[in-house]
Amino acid sequence: GENVEQHPSTLSVQEGDSAVIKCTYSDSASNYFPWYKQELGKRPQLIIDIRSNVGEKKDQRIAVTLNKTAKHFSLHITETQPEDSAVYFCAARLSGTYKYIFGTGTRLKVLA
Amino acid sequence: NAGVMQNPRHLVRRRGQEARLRCSPMKGHSHVYWYRQLPEEGLKFMVYLQKENIIDESGMPKERFSAEFPKEGPSILRIQQVVRGDSAAYFCASLSYSWGAQSGANVLTFGAGSRLTVL
Repeated sequence: GENVEQHPSTLSVQEGDSAVIKCTYSDSASNYFPWYKQELGKRPQLIIDIRSNVGEKKDQRIAVTLNKTAKHFSLHITETQPEDSAVYFCAARLSGTYKYIFGTGTRLKVLA
Repeated sequence: NAGVMQNPRHLVRRRGQEARLRCSPMKGHSHVYWYRQLPEEGLKFMVYLQKENIIDESGMPKERFSAEFPKEGPSILRIQQVVRGDSAAYFCASLSYSWGAQSGANVLTFGAGSRLTVL
């Protein structure tokens, strides 16, 4: 069945350092990959997304890369700040469907 | 646009009671998803509905759980005879068309969630 694996489950970085979160999907028919940020007690919110016809996308301090051959995609946060501390979820949507499968989440802590 | 609205935000039930969670998607959107999030865990897909139709309920337990999205009114997730293991946050999401950097992509927008506690 469809599956999205996400690593690491927790990540601590010093303020100003970079953070990288990686996901692997199982279904090669997936064609859309959003990333969500969930602060404590709040709703998941979309921060960046990428489609399968694009290899990389950047938005200020965050970027996402996609390797379709390896079925990997990654979130990169540069110059981390304390407010980046949250749980981050990757997701994959199967082509031709509206089904979104989420990874298990990464708890990012940015240490001041 | 009020976004995806969920209520109640918090619900306390005793074992054996029924829980009803409501979700109103963004105005004009006819696609609704329900996800369950256990404490310290990820988002687990439960069910996907379009107006009056269940499209995919592969993530929903076969017993005690049901979902509907009537022609008029909000989507409802119903849990009968609740047990302690049902305690979780239940998030609804609706499909939104975003014209941001991902022009043409359908963007899943979440509500604030309903936190169910079963005593």
